[in-house]
Amino acid sequence: KAGVTQTPRYLIKTRGQQVTLSCSPISGHRSVSWYQQTPGQGLQFLFEYFSETQRNKGNFPGRFSGRQFSNSRSEMNVSTLELGDSALYLCASSLGLYQETQYFGPGTRLLVL
Amino acid sequence: EDQVTQSPEALRLQEGESSSLNCSYTVSGLRGLFWYRQDPGKGPEFLFTLYSAGEEKEKERLKATLTKKESFLHITAPKPEDSATYLCAVPDSNYQLIWGAGTKLIIKP
Repeated sequence: KAGVTQTPRYLIKTRGQQVTLSCSPISGHRSVSWYQQTPGQGLQFLFEYFSETQRNKGNFPGRFSGRQFSNSRSEMNVSTLELGDSALYLCASSLGLYQETQYFGPGTRLLVL
Repeated sequence: EDQVTQSPEALRLQEGESSSLNCSYTVSGLRGLFWYRQDPGKGPEFLFTLYSAGEEKEKERLKATLTKKESFLHITAPKPEDSATYLCAVPDSNYQLIWGAGTKLIIKP
């Protein structure tokens, strides 16, 4: 069974721009969660989607948003990029809701200049 | 406040030298504890889920145990390929995972 895939793997943007990251979950998984990982803050939860609805949200500003499609694929968008948004963005999928065992993708490395 | 603390931050061992990593947590009602392994530049890889005190799970050279306040990841006779960062996480009351900062394990041949 194919794992979680994320595109693109690497991205360089400048301050003020916006970016969209994509995540395809494991086949049959209906929940997708997004995380930001930085050396200083570690893994921080952004949001979780299940059946196209945001079910849980972390403590991030409104510049961070996401959505889920009917095939469970998910996208996250960051608008008005700041230098501090440079991070590894990880997507994880699970069978059901409430973050049972999650399986992670390889991540998208975002660098904001 | 819900919190997960891992120790030590880093651990250097010789190949074959067994040791343990610690994950202590404070949450109101344990809803599971997850262990993951993360290699540089990659996403975390699931290892174990523990749900109740006294529970133990094993996988190759790894064994995870759980008490009411902490979990241990025991590594027996480690090999260089066991080098990685080991992360633990617990769900809070909203089922949002709270992650520890991780233990970076280095196994020297």
